[in-house]
Amino acid sequence: GQQVMQIPQYQHVQEGEDFTTYCNSSTTLSNIQWYKQRPGGHPVFLIQLVKSGEVKKQKRLTFQFGEAKKNSSLHITATQTTDVGTYFCAGIAAGNKLTFGGGTRVLVKP
Amino acid sequence: DAGVTQSPTHLIKTRGQQVTLRCSPKSGHDTVSWYQQALGQGPQFIFQYYEEEERQRGNFPDRFSGHQFPNYSSELNVNALLLGDSALYLCASSLGGEWYGYTFGSGTRLTVV
Repeated sequence: GQQVMQIPQYQHVQEGEDFTTYCNSSTTLSNIQWYKQRPGGHPVFLIQLVKSGEVKKQKRLTFQFGEAKKNSSLHITATQTTDVGTYFCAGIAAGNKLTFGGGTRVLVKP
Repeated sequence: DAGVTQSPTHLIKTRGQQVTLRCSPKSGHDTVSWYQQALGQGPQFIFQYYEEEERQRGNFPDRFSGHQFPNYSSELNVNALLLGDSALYLCASSLGGEWYGYTFGSGTRLTVV
């Protein structure tokens, strides 16, 4: 079945630094979504990418969908303490429902 | 505009018992999906309901069943609870499926002892 993997599993970042988290699918995706879950909270929808090679920005967050539509990345610049949480990618392959990756847990060192 | 409402927030059950979790979707949404999230893991898809029918199901045993009512609210039932069923159960609502992102509820934390 469809599998979505994320690396790294954990990301310790110094406040002010940049980092990138990666998402890889075992199958070609129609659509990829990113969610953020704060500690003790629930996933919150951030963005959706649909087109091959698509790039979208939300303030300090940049999301990219790979050309082959099997991978995606999230890049955060100038990390802040408010960025703490787990970032999940979730993909839709043909005939399947939204499948989540294992997440990247982000810890920020002030 | 209310978001997704789940009840109860916490629940403790004994192995072998049955449990029912409830979800009211965001106003205007017609699709409800249920996910199980174990500690430190990503959400795992259980099933999705649309127009009062189960539209698709993940790799969960028949002990997990659900229902959607005409007002789009939904229930998740789990029979013969196992210790491994302890998890956060998340309800997500959307309009017409998953193409425009899900709105998640705060979840029900189920502990099986």
